[in-house]
Amino acid sequence: DAGVIQSPRHEVTEMGQEVTLRCKPISGHDYLFWYRQTMMRGLELLIYFNNNVPIDDSGMPEDRFSAKMPNASFSTLKIQPSEPRDSAVYFCASSYRELAKNIQYFGAGTRLSVL
Amino acid sequence: AQTVTQSQPEMSVQEAETVTLSCTYDTSESDYYLFWYKQPPSRQMILVIRQEAYKQQNATENRFSVNFQKAAKSFSLKISDSQLGDAAMYFCAYRSAQTSYDKVIFGPGTSLSVIP
Repeated sequence: DAGVIQSPRHEVTEMGQEVTLRCKPISGHDYLFWYRQTMMRGLELLIYFNNNVPIDDSGMPEDRFSAKMPNASFSTLKIQPSEPRDSAVYFCASSYRELAKNIQYFGAGTRLSVL
Repeated sequence: AQTVTQSQPEMSVQEAETVTLSCTYDTSESDYYLFWYKQPPSRQMILVIRQEAYKQQNATENRFSVNFQKAAKSFSLKISDSQLGDAAMYFCAYRSAQTSYDKVIFGPGTSLSVIP
C-alpha cells in the first residue's frame, strides 16, 4: 500500500482565498483524522471520521473550517476564507480498529502558507 | 482530561551512543495505549513503538525500547546505538482503551539531534 496520501505537499495562498486540502487514507482503514501542527500549539486534532461519518469535530477552530468524507477513500479539509494564522502543517492520518491494534498512519502533511 | 508532557524540548546524542527521551502522562484510567512517534525533516509521522498499559513487559523494537512505569505514569524511550537517521522530533502519545473513540493525545515533542 502507498500509505496515506495527501495533496498538495505545499500550498501558498493569499488571505481570503479558499483552500482545499485532500487526503486518501490507506485502503481498508475505517478511521480518518485531520491534525494541524504549529510551533506554538503542537499537534492538534481537528476532526475525525469513522466509516465516513464525522465523530468529533470539537477541534475545528471555527466555522471557516469544514471537512468532508464523501467515501471511504477520500477526504477534504476546506478553509474559507483563509487567514494568515491558518498557516501550519496539516496532517491526515488513518487507522483500522482491529482488536487492540489501532495504530494511526500519517501522511506526509500539507504545508499551508497564507500570506 | 488526559495530558502528555515531554519535559525535554531538545536533546542531543553522539552517534553510536544511547539516549533516553522522557515522557509523563496524566490519566485516571487503568487501560490505555502509549506510543512514540518520530517526525523526521520530511514531516511524516512514523510510529516507533507502542505499549499496552496492561502489559508489564516493556516493548522493544530493534534499537528502540521503552521504560514503562505505570504507577509513576512515566513512559521513556531509549534509543541505543544512535544513528544519524534518528535525528527527528519525537512525540509521546496516549490513547484511551476504554472508549470507542480513537482520539490520540500527543505531547509537545522532543527534538533529537545526532552528532557525528
